[in-house]
Amino acid sequence: DAKTTQPTSMDCAEGRAANLPCNHSTISGNEYVYWYRQIHSQGPQYIIHGLKNNETNEMASLIITEDRKSSTLILPHATLRDTAVYYCIVKNSGNTPLVFGKGTRLSVIA
Amino acid sequence: DGGITQSPKYLFRKEGQNVTLSCEQNLNHDAMYWYRQDPGQGLRLIYYSQIVNDFQKGDIAEGYSVSREKKESFPLTVTSAQKNPTAFYLCASKAIQGTTYEKLFFGSGTQLSVL
Repeated sequence: DAKTTQPTSMDCAEGRAANLPCNHSTISGNEYVYWYRQIHSQGPQYIIHGLKNNETNEMASLIITEDRKSSTLILPHATLRDTAVYYCIVKNSGNTPLVFGKGTRLSVIA
Repeated sequence: DGGITQSPKYLFRKEGQNVTLSCEQNLNHDAMYWYRQDPGQGLRLIYYSQIVNDFQKGDIAEGYSVSREKKESFPLTVTSAQKNPTAFYLCASKAIQGTTYEKLFFGSGTQLSVL
């Protein structure tokens, strides 16, 4: 599975959009981009995933560049409860387990 | 409510003692996983199982053992051979049939500490 690169930490003002970048320059054609988040002392939570097209659900939007070498997770109106570590993971649809890196620590500030 | 339950939330181990962490799911998921998380680090895979009575080692299986006698249960034993067991342990499950994407459901974790 391709590796990902994320910033270690980011801050965002409450009510503003949080844009979390992820680089995955070695992604293969059959690999999906997944985002999970982990609130302190809890288990990670699935947010969204995509292959080529941009995706949106009730939690967030995922923008994938046309060459698929990078993506951005967008939380449109960040709240204090969005403070968490966000993991970007690239993986194909095979049965090997997900590999979690260190992610980006997002702090939403009042 | 459907979900995945880990117990206990906090566990203390004495030197030379084996301890078992419980993980139960009522989601009818085929696959189950154990991850370990150290402070400020990502998750590392210990063991996983995709079917009853079968499991595979992950990246850091030494000092741990598992069993999968029932679909809904995947207990993890931290043996005395694991010299640095203090960590946050997370169990997860995933449906295999009827899906092609990786949506894992996690429990709330067990914090294991050494006395």
